Amino acid sequence: KNEVEQSPQNLTAQEGEFITINCSYSVGISALHWLQQHPGGGIVSLFMLSSGKKKHGRLIATINIQEKHSSLHITASHPRDSAVYICAVSNTGFQKLVFGTGTRLLVSP
Amino acid sequence: NAGVMQNPRHLVRRRGQEARLRCSPMKGHSHVYWYRQLPEEGLKFMVYLQKENIIDESGMPKERFSAEFPKEGPSILRIQQVVRGDSAAYFCASSSEAGSNTGELFFGEGSRLTVL
Repeated sequence: KNEVEQSPQNLTAQEGEFITINCSYSVGISALHWLQQHPGGGIVSLFMLSSGKKKHGRLIATINIQEKHSSLHITASHPRDSAVYICAVSNTGFQKLVFGTGTRLLVSP
Repeated sequence: NAGVMQNPRHLVRRRGQEARLRCSPMKGHSHVYWYRQLPEEGLKFMVYLQKENIIDESGMPKERFSAEFPKEGPSILRIQQVVRGDSAAYFCASSSEAGSNTGELFFGEGSRLTVL
């Protein structure tokens, strides 16, 4: 069993829909990251959080430390949100990240 | 303020050759991380460096791979005698602080190595 599990693996949505991607982890962590990767492209860090909730534009990330679970929400989804979203955790004092396998999101017009 | 710069973006090597991948961290960042993404697989940590020091190389293959981050210049990931299984995307990230819940990570665009 992977230390970091994401669901769903693949997600299709219509433009404007509310999207949720889930991440569960099995180890104690010091921080959790949500990353975005476009096909053939680089990686963009969306959020780094260790408690509570963070919001940036249409993106919201939450984490429940007791339940070892985090969610990434996208409101009013748009085709340009189509990408792979990756959850990663650190359980050391630095960014030795353990990654989930990613959620491939496709938003259709 | 330029982001994390990696070069080359694409590199093709024949089996047995050497590959050198460079990473210039963001200005003011002294912590560099290398991660590898094998085809159809997830990302994996390789090595964590600070200026002139390797802090954690537990994710690096024991043979043929080495990394450095000199006092001056970019961090370099070196792969000697490449094999087809080394074909992957190699990502560099940098941060200004070491702390895993304080040092925000900034990623480069990656270097995609193809071994023929």
